[in-house]
Amino acid sequence: EDKVVQSPLSLVVHEGDTVTLNCSYEVTNFRSLLWYKQEKKAPTFLFMLTSSGIEKKSGRLSSILDKKELFSILNITATQTGDSAVYLCARRITGGGNKLTFGTGTQLKVEL
Amino acid sequence: DVKVTQSSRYLVKRTGEKVFLECVQDMDHENMFWYRQDPGLGLRLIYFSYDVKMKEKGDIPEGYSVSREKKERFSLILESASTNQTSMYLCASSATGTGSYEQYFGPGTRLTVT
Repeated sequence: EDKVVQSPLSLVVHEGDTVTLNCSYEVTNFRSLLWYKQEKKAPTFLFMLTSSGIEKKSGRLSSILDKKELFSILNITATQTGDSAVYLCARRITGGGNKLTFGTGTQLKVEL
Repeated sequence: DVKVTQSSRYLVKRTGEKVFLECVQDMDHENMFWYRQDPGLGLRLIYFSYDVKMKEKGDIPEGYSVSREKKERFSLILESASTNQTSMYLCASSATGTGSYEQYFGPGTRLTVT
């Protein structure tokens, strides 16, 4: 079964903390892994990862993929209350059109 | 910017009614998708379409059908709504090709079936 598993399911931190969100997947015909941020509306795209070991970075957010161990992490440094959201990861397989399989998400809450 | 719009943000329907959810994208994307999102279950794919008049079942197609008569529009149909179809419905679109393309999402329709 091609599951995408995210951990932790939820997390509460204080502003300024650094957080690491995890995403593992169980499929070998992998094409890419995507991260999205979802506040109280549509998911918005963060990163797409296709190659192992190459970090993608956008401001305080960064992400990396390990295709050997079948996982990805999303790091957020110096967290702010505006980072509070559900973070979703999804994987795309080869030959699957552009279909994505999503994990259940990590609910992040950043408190003052 | 890609824009994906959905016909309603909130919808309340009665059990047994036929329900139409409309999605329109303005970026000439070939692929369009319908998901439902439920607490603890994440986003689950109902149907997708990779071309006009083409459709494929996703992971949970039972109780749903779709229609794609024009490239920019993808409709989700609940033939006879049931209470277990109360959910948030999200539409998405993406380009196609040899690369890997992200999906762009609409704002969602929160459907309540009573």
